[in-house]
Order: sequence, then structure tokens, then C-alpha cells
Amino acid sequence: EADIYQTPRYLVIGTGKKITLECSQTMGHDKMYWYQQDPGMELHLIHYSYGVNSTEKGDLSSESTVSRIRTEHFPLTLESARPSHTSQYLCASSESGTSNQPQHFGDGTRLSIL
Amino acid sequence: KQEVTQIPAALSVPEGENLVLNCSFTDSAIYNLQWFRQDPGKGLTSLLLIQSSQREQTSGRLNASLDKSSGRSTLYIAASQPGDSATYLCAASSLGGGSQGNLIFGKGTKLSVKP
Repeated sequence: EADIYQTPRYLVIGTGKKITLECSQTMGHDKMYWYQQDPGMELHLIHYSYGVNSTEKGDLSSESTVSRIRTEHFPLTLESARPSHTSQYLCASSESGTSNQPQHFGDGTRLSIL
Repeated sequence: KQEVTQIPAALSVPEGENLVLNCSFTDSAIYNLQWFRQDPGKGLTSLLLIQSSQREQTSGRLNASLDKSSGRSTLYIAASQPGDSATYLCAASSLGGGSQGNLIFGKGTKLSVKP
């Protein structure tokens, strides 16, 4: 059973605020990912990590940043939120080794910037 | 650049019908093809993963096929139930470059099974 948790589930906040979206997994997975999904649209990869101290930008350009200080924790930060950042953010993880490992997803954070 | 397309965008069927969801991808150089289910307001649940060397995978009432030469995958759902109602997403795992193993998603097919 996959155990990956995202907090908060919903966040409504004003423009200019600093935001951190939390993602934690208890499976010991080395690989972790952040996706952005707008309603009715496909998921786009914005950040990924192969392990501690590893972070890479994904296919979709994003103003957010990530860090990977501990294996189980992969937070995403927006320094100054804008209405264009309104979206759903999904975190995922997978085992390392071959690339034939399924990704396990959290329930997402639905972010709304006023 | 890999592109993934899913047809139809939405599908409504009566309970008990067998159905097929389609997925096509433009670059056949993939590690695998994955099918996910997404319920409203939730994350994704992995359903099936087909490695590039495989032709199909089965789990219960679900069967997924992969034809790399034509760039197509199908998800077959047998004896559909109202609980199958969800959005089904197809994703291709890229083979090369810096994003090795990362997933490229389609927009999904929204399935509604009527009792």
C-alpha cells in the first residue's frame, strides 16, 4: 500500500505570500516528483529528485523551487504567490533501480491565489 | 518530443458493458506505458504498467495492451460497474535524455458508468 501524504489539501491565500507545499512518503523511495495539473488538462512534471540533495527541473517551467534534505520529504516552495500559480499540485514517488517502477501519488494540494 | 493523446475525452456507458479506452504516443522509445485512475479531488492510482518488452498486462477486470510499432495502447474494462466511474490517464515513460524514466501524460478519458 502506497503511503504518500500531501499537506495542506486545500489552500486559499492572497497574492505575494510565501507558500510551502509539503510532501512526505514512508516507503523509502529515492525518486520523488512534483506535477502541476489544471482542470481538464494533463499533468505536467515541474520538479523531480533522484535522492537526497538531488533536484531537477521538469518539462514545464515553474517559478517554484524544491529541496530534498531527507529521503522522505520533498517540499515545494513559492516565494511570492501569484494568481497564475492557481492549480492542483500532485506529489509522487517511486522506487529507484530500473525505470519500470510505478509512481505512487498523494491526493494533491489544490492551491488558489486571490 | 513525446506527445500522448487519449480518445475519447469522455465516455458514458450502461453498467455491465465491456469498453475500450485508447491511448496513442508519438515516440516509440519508451521504458513503459502506465495507466492510472483519478477520482475527483484525488491523486492518481496506478492500475497497470506495461514494460516496453511486453504486449499486455492484466489485473482483474482490466487488461492493457501495448503496440510500440504503431504507438498505441488500449485499456479494456470488462463488465463495467458504477464504481469504475473516474478519469483514466495514460502515461508514457521516456527513454532518453535528462528526463529518463519521467512520465508524459495524456489528458485522460472521463468514464461514467450508469447503473
